[in-house]
Amino acid sequence: QSALTQPASVSGSPGQSITISCTGTSSDVGGYNYVSWYQQHPGKAPKLMIYDVSNRPSGVSNRFSGSKSGNTASLTISGLQAEDEADYYCISYTSSSTWVFGGGTKLTVL
Amino acid sequence: EVRLVESGGGLVQPGGSLRLSCAASGFTFSSFWMSWVRQAPGKGLEWVANIKQDGSEKYYVDSVKGRFTISRDNAKNSLYLQMNSLRAEDTAVYYCARGGLSLFDYWGQGTLVTVSS
Repeated sequence: QSALTQPASVSGSPGQSITISCTGTSSDVGGYNYVSWYQQHPGKAPKLMIYDVSNRPSGVSNRFSGSKSGNTASLTISGLQAEDEADYYCISYTSSSTWVFGGGTKLTVL
Repeated sequence: EVRLVESGGGLVQPGGSLRLSCAASGFTFSSFWMSWVRQAPGKGLEWVANIKQDGSEKYYVDSVKGRFTISRDNAKNSLYLQMNSLRAEDTAVYYCARGGLSLFDYWGQGTLVTVSS
């Protein structure tokens, strides 16, 4: 159950777009469409942003989108805003009927 | 309004035990998978365990197998995590989350468990 691979940090200026990758294997990301993304502000609980690779829960801005190609899932945030600055985590279902998170990515809005 | 409130955290010595609880409200508890997720200080999230609606299926991360037990009481709308043989590396904020089949859509605010002598 090795953690999924995410970049430790990404940054962008307000209004720009950024993409965070989440790389796993055929036993997790590549094998299932159960990939979701969470946003976490310091000291707060995680918040669901994307589920089942590309679905957005009600109430989440349409600036957030998700996709997957092979063993890599991606979260794209367009029109960056200051409040998007947070940690982002991906998680995938695995062939062992368990779940594995990515190591997390710190997004800085310049 | 969906609400998840964890309790039971605290300071415990290595080798000790602790039982976490999660009180759920605002939804039909018995209709959802439930999960525990933890976060060590300054570290990332780690999925710990989940349990099916009727408790018939339970899954654990390898590092807690044989030491932690997840359970639920649908009559009391409550989720539990019995933690035995605790180690320093179990020190974390433990979150209760609704879901575990496809997504985790609601989270509690967490309860801190510190394992130290």
